[in-house]
Amino acid sequence: GAGVSQSPSNKVTEKGKDVELRCDPISGHTALYWYRQSLGQGLEFLIYFQGNSAPDKSGLPSDRFSAERTGGSVSTLTIQRTQQEDSAVYLCASSWRQNTEAFFGQGTRLTVV
Amino acid sequence: KQEVTQIPAALSVPEGENLVLNCSFTDSAIYNLQWFRQDPGKGLTSLLLIQSSQREQTSGRLNASLDKSSGRSTLYIAASQPGDSATYLCAAPEGDNYGQNFVFGPGTRLSVLP
Repeated sequence: GAGVSQSPSNKVTEKGKDVELRCDPISGHTALYWYRQSLGQGLEFLIYFQGNSAPDKSGLPSDRFSAERTGGSVSTLTIQRTQQEDSAVYLCASSWRQNTEAFFGQGTRLTVV
Repeated sequence: KQEVTQIPAALSVPEGENLVLNCSFTDSAIYNLQWFRQDPGKGLTSLLLIQSSQREQTSGRLNASLDKSSGRSTLYIAASQPGDSATYLCAAPEGDNYGQNFVFGPGTRLSVLP
């Protein structure tokens, strides 16, 4: 596609449920990043993929968070047993490779009630 | 560990003014630095990527400079317009020279008044 696509754009879930957030990067981009932006806060790094590998998982806030990338393309961020503090906008970005211009999707707004 | 700060936190200017946004970073061993804008409720739009070997990068009314030795970057906006109103974020890599992720500053919230 022309840009980074994220789905769903909005997700409301009950506390304790699992959610999956999807990111379709720009075709041909090998690097993919997930960030989280809580209300009124800055961007918090979650995880980075180079191809299908995640050399840096240091930002995942807890073991309830996991992410995978398949075929060097689509990535899924999964949050298990969601908590209210997980409410945030989850942003995905991709770049051709490391250290090239990063392009962001419009984000998924997650609300845990 | 890379830390990025931005000043001012907020800025309000009348239309037509030239303005400068400032970004500072603690780890100067960076490969590049990127400036973004974020409109309310939206994702980030890339404005400029400036490589460590460059001193300046220009796109239209925007000009970004980078001084690695002092750990600073500035974004200059010429002849500001109400449509420039947004939050401006700078991001510097973390994780040795090849930076595996970007560390973002808190942003400067710009309002350009008609």
